[in-house]
Amino acid sequence: EAQVTQNPRYLITVTGKKLTVTCSQNMNHEYMSWYRQDPGLGLRQIYYSMNVEVTDKGDVPEGYKVSRKEKRNFPLILESPSPNQTSLYFCASQGELGYTFGSGTRLTVV
Amino acid sequence: AQSVAQPEDQVNVAEGNPLTVKCTYSVSGNPYLFWYVQYPNRGLQFLLKYITGDNLVKGSYGFEAEFNKSQTSFHLKKPSALVSDSALYFCAVRGLYNQGGKLIFGQGTELSVKP
Repeated sequence: EAQVTQNPRYLITVTGKKLTVTCSQNMNHEYMSWYRQDPGLGLRQIYYSMNVEVTDKGDVPEGYKVSRKEKRNFPLILESPSPNQTSLYFCASQGELGYTFGSGTRLTVV
Repeated sequence: AQSVAQPEDQVNVAEGNPLTVKCTYSVSGNPYLFWYVQYPNRGLQFLLKYITGDNLVKGSYGFEAEFNKSQTSFHLKKPSALVSDSALYFCAVRGLYNQGGKLIFGQGTELSVKP
């Protein structure tokens, strides 16, 4: 089954403690991206990657890092999380037929 | 700047009645338009998309959407609402020449269908 797998689904952490949210796709897509969802704001793109070792900033990249060392994986890294990064995060993979989203990661930073 | 607007934060409909969730967009050129649905504690599920061709697009779960270029709208519709349609709905657009294929989302509309 074609899918995008995100982990963890839920995460509560403290301010400043580095964390990584993993994302993996099994569709051999070149394009992957990360979004955050906040009430009243919809989803906003954080970072995207058009291929291995090619990443670029989206609309709200501050406080985030990404890497794309292999095609299937696109982890989102928060080096020093802050409470304003409390949000619902989605990884997406894009192919010819459209976009596939992961199930989401609900992050709370206290 | 490219943007998508969903003018209603919430839409309330009685079961069996028709429903409409509104979406307008602003983008250069001919857009790719999408509707997604999010059920509580679930991810985004694809409903339908418009790329080109017939202005009336049919999608999953009995939903359809009408592309109107002159009004720059892409409203989501269903002839007869079900309680199980209650969810958060997002309209999104991708401009043809938009760098990186980014999806631009509206703010979402909460649909509530009452029995």
